[in-house]
Order: sequence, then structure tokens, then C-alpha cells
Amino acid sequence: GEDVEQSLFLSVREGDSSVINCTYTDSSSTYLYWYKQEPGAGLQLLTYIFSNMDMKQDQRLTVLLNKKDKHLSLRIADTQTGDSAIYFCAERRGDSSASKIIFGSGTRLSIRP
Amino acid sequence: EPEVTQTPSHQVTQMGQEVILRCVPISNHLYFYWYRQILGQKVEFLVSFYNNEISEKSEIFDDQFSVERPDGSNFTLKIRSTKLEDSAMYFCASSENGPQHFGDGTRLSIL
Repeated sequence: GEDVEQSLFLSVREGDSSVINCTYTDSSSTYLYWYKQEPGAGLQLLTYIFSNMDMKQDQRLTVLLNKKDKHLSLRIADTQTGDSAIYFCAERRGDSSASKIIFGSGTRLSIRP
Repeated sequence: EPEVTQTPSHQVTQMGQEVILRCVPISNHLYFYWYRQILGQKVEFLVSFYNNEISEKSEIFDDQFSVERPDGSNFTLKIRSTKLEDSAMYFCASSENGPQHFGDGTRLSIL
């Protein structure tokens, strides 16, 4: 199918790690992205990974890619209240820079004190 | 940090009227896109634009829609005769040759 799938909700305690999971469908996808959307705001590019990598770390963020299973995850270490947002997994469908991005439904991350 | 800017932030229009949504992409970017998000639904691709022509468009992007780069800085989406179901958040994005960077969106409400 066409879909990028991710769970709708995740609740974590402040200071713990958050792990948001995603599955995608197109094995030829070249870029896989994580976008963050805070209430009333736009889509902020958080991080991305090329399909020829299996891990990327950027400060508190770690992206893991399992290309065989078409599984992508985003780990946020030491989760803070400011991390509350909707997180979208997305894949670039095609090998051209003009190719469209297909988004998942988004995972709403809420932080418990 | 350079960013994509969209105006207006909220547009209210009567059904059947034409509407133009405006975007200023990041200045050195060459690829431009429009997406929309109907309330409670996924972000959907509408169109991509490169070298002054449409590169790819979705089924949503029918004859009611058009895009234009009227000068060196603006990128516009026109909806010719709006319908109630066009109510959505419309996002513009741009890229140099890699990840797409999005604006904050224009909320379009059709009455």
C-alpha cells in the first residue's frame, strides 16, 4: 500500500527516553524524515536519514533505520516538556529532488511530570 | 536561520471565489512544493515545481489549482473556484537539493 504508518499517541515521563516508531512502504525511498509540529505551528524538520545509513545521531535525537523491515524510529533522550508535539514520519517517494513526501498520520507525544 | 514564509496565516473566502496563497521560499532553494492538511487528516502532497514548471502533481491538483513563480522570490498557489472541501491548512515547502523545509502554513476556511 501507499501508507506510512505510525502509532497515534505516546506518553512518557519527563526525563525518560521517547521512542516513536514508523513503518514505510517504498523500498526505493532515498530520504526518510522526522518533522515536528507544535500546536498552531508549521512542520519543523527535526532530522533526516539517507536510505544507505542505518543510524544517525544529533544531540538528543537518534534515528534508526532498518531498511529490510522498512522500519524507522526516532529516539528522544531526556524528554522535556518542550518536546510535547506531534511527530511526523515521512518518506521521499522517488529519487528526484522534486519528488513528493508521503507523511504518516503523526504521533502525539505528551510528557508526564 | 533562513525560513519559508507564508501569507496570509488565515484566509476566509466565500465558496466559488478565487484565492491566492503566497509563499516566499528560502532564497537559494530551487525546488518548491505545496501540501495541504485537512483537519484531522494526513499531510497530502499537491504539487512540486522546478525550473519554472510543474515536476509532479497529485490527483488532488486538478484544473482548479495552479501554481506560479511570478518573480524571483514568490511562489503562489491559486484555487480558481473554491469549494467547501478546499478548507484545509496549506503548507509551502522548498529545498535546495535534499530535505524539504516547510512554512507555518495558511489556514484556508471556505464559507
